[in-house]
Amino acid sequence: QSVLTQPPSASGTPGQRVTISCSGSSSNIGSNYVYWYQQLPGTAPKLLIYRNNQRPSGVPDRFSGSKSGTSASLAISGLRSEDEADYYCAAWDDSLSGPWVFGGGTKLTVL
Amino acid sequence: EVQLVESGGGVVQPGGSLRLSCAASGFTFDDYAMHWVRQAPGKGLEWVSLISGDGGSTYYADSVKGRFTISRDNSKNSLYLQMNSLRTEDTALYYCAKDILRPISSHGYFQHWGQGTLVTVSS
Repeated sequence: QSVLTQPPSASGTPGQRVTISCSGSSSNIGSNYVYWYQQLPGTAPKLLIYRNNQRPSGVPDRFSGSKSGTSASLAISGLRSEDEADYYCAAWDDSLSGPWVFGGGTKLTVL
Repeated sequence: EVQLVESGGGVVQPGGSLRLSCAASGFTFDDYAMHWVRQAPGKGLEWVSLISGDGGSTYYADSVKGRFTISRDNSKNSLYLQMNSLRTEDTALYYCAKDILRPISSHGYFQHWGQGTLVTVSS
C-alpha cells in the first residue's frame, strides 16, 4: 500500500489530453513539493516534473503538473504513442517513517 | 554527462548479505546527496535510503532500517549499500539516484537515475 495514491491505469487516444492524479496527506503533498517520474518499458525512471510544475530541459511542454492542497495532477496534452509508460508521483514526507514516498504508479496506455 | 552505474546484484539466500555499488561520473560527486530506490518485479518504486554529500547524515525506510547501511567514498566517486539479513521481499531492481542538493533536504529530489542492479533473494 503506497503512501501516495494514484489510479493504477489511464488511457487515451493520440492527440487527447489525459490527467493522472496523486493523492496524499498534510505531511507529504500538503506541505512539500510534488515530483513526477516517467518510466518507459524496461528503462529507469526519468524526471518529468519537479517542484510541482517545473519541467526539466528537454521535457516537452505537453507535460504539465499542478498541486492543490493534498493532491497533485500530471496532465499530458497532445497524447503520443511514445507517452505509453508508467508514471509515478513522489514527495518528501515530514512523518517519522522515512522522508521520501512514492505513489503506486499509473500505467498509461495510448489506444 | 551524468552517469550512474550500479553493480553487485545477484542471487542470495534468505538471511544472506550483499553489497551494492554505484559508480558515479560526470559531476562533482561530493557536492550531491545520493539515494537508493528499489523496484520489485512488476511493482512500483520504493525509496530505500539517502546519504548527504559529505556522508555525515543518512536516512532509511522503515522496511530496511537496521539491516541495510548506506555509505559513500567520495575519493572513489562511489556509493554503496550494504544489505544484511536479506529477505525474499528485498528482491528488486536497485537504482542509485543523484539528488540536486548536498545536504539532506525536503527541497532535494531524484534528478538522475542509474539503470539498476537486480537482487534476487531466494532459497
